[in-house]
Amino acid sequence: VQVVESGGGVVQPGRSLKVSCEVSGLTFKNYAMNWVRQAPGKGLEWVAVISYDGSSEYYADSVKGRFSVSRDNSRDTVYLQMNSLRVDDTALYYCASGSKMVRGVPIYWGPGTLVNVS
Amino acid sequence: SYVLTQPPSVSVAPGQTARITCEGDNLKNQVAHWYLQRPGQAPVVVVYDNVDRLSATPDRVSGSKSGNTATLTIGGVEAGDEGDYYCQVWDNVSDQWVFGGGTKLTVL
Repeated sequence: VQVVESGGGVVQPGRSLKVSCEVSGLTFKNYAMNWVRQAPGKGLEWVAVISYDGSSEYYADSVKGRFSVSRDNSRDTVYLQMNSLRVDDTALYYCASGSKMVRGVPIYWGPGTLVNVS
Repeated sequence: SYVLTQPPSVSVAPGQTARITCEGDNLKNQVAHWYLQRPGQAPVVVVYDNVDRLSATPDRVSGSKSGNTATLTIGGVEAGDEGDYYCQVWDNVSDQWVFGGGTKLTVL
């Protein structure tokens, strides 16, 4: 299984950015997909999860109303749309999966994509 | 919001046993997973569903849970076990994943 995030970069506070995650080696449409972030020198913070069919989404309180997760099962890709970005959103953003259930343990992780809000 | 508490650091000599705890007010009703993150790398699951190991996890690593405390035990600690360990649960009340603050394991 390969998980590859992309789309990170430098963005000004208040602006938007959309990052992507492409998965191969598994039947993507059967897996819930998570986004997890890690600020420099800090611990892991879960951001969002989307169900295998896109019918359900759940968010961390810190991003609710600003971030939106979506997926395209025809492209084996999940997205994270980040709006109204703040300096404290600066982090390495990981994409992770491992189960059809949103509460299933994510065992497949990508290397992450870095988002720098400054 | 739900909080998982881990000790910031644990230090053990090579060959000894390391125990890393994870406490949560409702952990007795939740399923805990454990990750190891080595510097510059993505996290890797070492124990899931409280006690199960992935095939890549050595037998000397085990998970347990008693009441509101989950414990990751690493026997015969080696230098390669160093890194940051995180516990994680799905909180049914908020419908959110929650991570512990992480524990840095140092092999003396």
